[in-house]
Amino acid sequence: AQRVTQPEKLLSVFKGAPVELKCNYSYSGSPELFWYVQYSRQRLQLLLRHISRESIKGFTADLNKGETSFHLKKPFAQEEDSAMYYCALGGSNYKLTFGKGTLLTVNP
Amino acid sequence: GAVVSQHPSWVICKSGTSVKIECRSLDFQATTMFWYRQFPKQSLMLMATSNEGSKATYEQGVEKDKFLINHASLTLSTLTVTSAHPEDSSFYICSGPLAGGPSEQYFGPGTRLTVT
Repeated sequence: AQRVTQPEKLLSVFKGAPVELKCNYSYSGSPELFWYVQYSRQRLQLLLRHISRESIKGFTADLNKGETSFHLKKPFAQEEDSAMYYCALGGSNYKLTFGKGTLLTVNP
Repeated sequence: GAVVSQHPSWVICKSGTSVKIECRSLDFQATTMFWYRQFPKQSLMLMATSNEGSKATYEQGVEKDKFLINHASLTLSTLTVTSAHPEDSSFYICSGPLAGGPSEQYFGPGTRLTVT
């Protein structure tokens, strides 16, 4: 069965500090992983997809198949990064399995 | 990116009545759309997969007779909450993937349903 675990419900850091949002997954096939972000009063939007290996808004995420992880990282957090972050695992027929989310607060 | 709209953004209805929520893909065709439910400060729970021209596929535990889904065209899926009760109050979100693309989905802004 597909499963996505985000162990931290809340994460609070100071501006300029590094941030890492953890995500672990369980999937029998070749995983397709995403990070979605939901800013206050806005819709859910795609932040990163693992196949692109890109950096968006300073965030990166590397798929580690050995540890079945896809942690989201940013070296210097900004106040505007405060949002709800969801890790998601793609399955068959375009279905996504979401983790429970981590609420990131970046304090000034 | 692709745009998905939902209407209405907020609806209040009385217990026992039905309410319809529309989900439209504005600049792409969606043979498949997904309906989620999100409780306050919680994650998204997939309710059902809406398939254009055929029956929806419901997730385990979701009552198909209560949450009626119709996907009559490539740009419109509707969710009707029938005989609504206060426990149906929630945030309902739809999404659509780009056909032929990876699993990434484009989300609507959501509809807040309050049943009094």
